[in-house]
Amino acid sequence: EDQVTQSPEALRLQEGESSSLNCSYTVSGLRGLFWYRQDPGKGPEFLFTLYSAGEEKEKERLKATLTKKESFLHITAPKPEDSATYLCAVQAGGANNLFFGTGTRLTVIP
Amino acid sequence: NAGVTQTPKFQVLKTGQSMTLQCAQDMNHNSMYWYRQDPGMGLRLIYYSASEGTTDKGEVPNGYNVSRLNKREFSLRLESAAPSQTSVYFCASSFYYNEQFFGPGTRLTVL
Repeated sequence: EDQVTQSPEALRLQEGESSSLNCSYTVSGLRGLFWYRQDPGKGPEFLFTLYSAGEEKEKERLKATLTKKESFLHITAPKPEDSATYLCAVQAGGANNLFFGTGTRLTVIP
Repeated sequence: NAGVTQTPKFQVLKTGQSMTLQCAQDMNHNSMYWYRQDPGMGLRLIYYSASEGTTDKGEVPNGYNVSRLNKREFSLRLESAAPSQTSVYFCASSFYYNEQFFGPGTRLTVL
C-alpha cells in the first residue's frame, strides 16, 4: 500500500534559523514527488516536482531534494512569511492522481 | 487567468439535503480532480477525470457523484448529505501527469 509520512508534524523556527522538513514514502513505481505550500483557509500552492533520486530544485529560500526513500524540503534563513503548512505528495504507478501526506505546519517567529 | 475557481466558498446543509459543488479551470488542462481535506487526514481523492468524457473513483468516492460537463468544468454532487461529509473540498486540474493546481476550496458543514 502506498504511504507518505511527513515529519515533524509541526516546527517552530526563529527567523533566520535554517531547518529541513522530511517526507518519506513507500510506493510502487514512483513517477513524481510534489511539494506544495498551503496557507490557512486557502488551497495548496504548487512549489516543486522531483522525478528521480538525486534531483534537486530551488526557489528563493526553499530547496527540495529526493532520494529513493525520502525527500527533504530545506528552508534557509526563513522569514515569517514562510509560515505555512507544507504538503508532500507522490504520484505512482499508472495513475495521474496524487497521494498526500498530512503536512508539516511551519511557524517562523520574528 | 483565474486558474481554478470553485463555488460556493461556504455552505451549510442539513442531513439529507443535496447540493452540487462547481469547479472550473481556464488553463486548458485535460485532467480534473476532487479532493477532501480533513484534520489529521491529509488530502484524499474523491473522484477524478483524466480527460473530457471520463471519470474514475478515487480513494473515498462513497456518497458522491461527479460530472465532467466539458473540458473546463467538473462538478461534485452530494445526493443526500451526511455529517461525515463535513469537510473542505478542493478541486484541482493538471495537464496529464504534471503538477496539479488547486482552487480556493469549499467549506461544507452538514448538520
